[in-house]
Amino acid sequence: GNSVTQMEGPVTLSEEAFLTINCTYTATGYPSLFWYVQYPGEGLQLLLKATKADDKGSNKGFEATYRKETTSFHLEKGSVQVSDSAVYFCALRPGNQFYFGTGTSLTVIP
Amino acid sequence: NAGVTQTPKFQVLKTGQSMTLQCAQDMNHEYMSWYRQDPGMGLRLIHYSVGAGITDQGEVPNGYNVSRSTTEDFPLRLLSAAPSQTSVYFCASSLREGANSPLHFGNGTRLTVT
Repeated sequence: GNSVTQMEGPVTLSEEAFLTINCTYTATGYPSLFWYVQYPGEGLQLLLKATKADDKGSNKGFEATYRKETTSFHLEKGSVQVSDSAVYFCALRPGNQFYFGTGTSLTVIP
Repeated sequence: NAGVTQTPKFQVLKTGQSMTLQCAQDMNHEYMSWYRQDPGMGLRLIHYSVGAGITDQGEVPNGYNVSRSTTEDFPLRLLSAAPSQTSVYFCASSLREGANSPLHFGNGTRLTVT
């Protein structure tokens, strides 16, 4: 079946620290992969996406590479800011439906 | 563009009442869906639709009805509200399968059932 496994949170980092949030998936076929971000009281916003193996999605300093051999799509950022505090969701789309991880809460402290 | 618009933003219901959560999108998206978000549970799919006149159940459909009479609108009906339906509800839409299109979310409806 299709599923997403995401790193458990919460994650607390100091400002300017390096961030990695792990995401692995199980899917049939060749899914598209996504990272979403949710700020408090808001809906989910697309952060970045990758549609085929070895694609790198990037946005606002965040990056993730579609690794088919390890079925992974880890989210990274070299230097986090307080404004990056949010919940991050990994998702895949193998067909019409989307499958989401459970979300990882990130808090960045000054 | 307005994107995905959900109304109302907040709602309080008494047990047994019924109501409809509205969702509209102006992006001509074929795919529309409803999720509920509960603490520690992530997002759970309630119902989805791949086009006008076509709906299907997701992971947690019990207690909810949907219809899709137009491409733009996808209302979610609570038939007889229960405290277990207290949650934040998100409507989301996308282009059809094969378009590699992401899901676009509304801002949510926070529902409390007392």
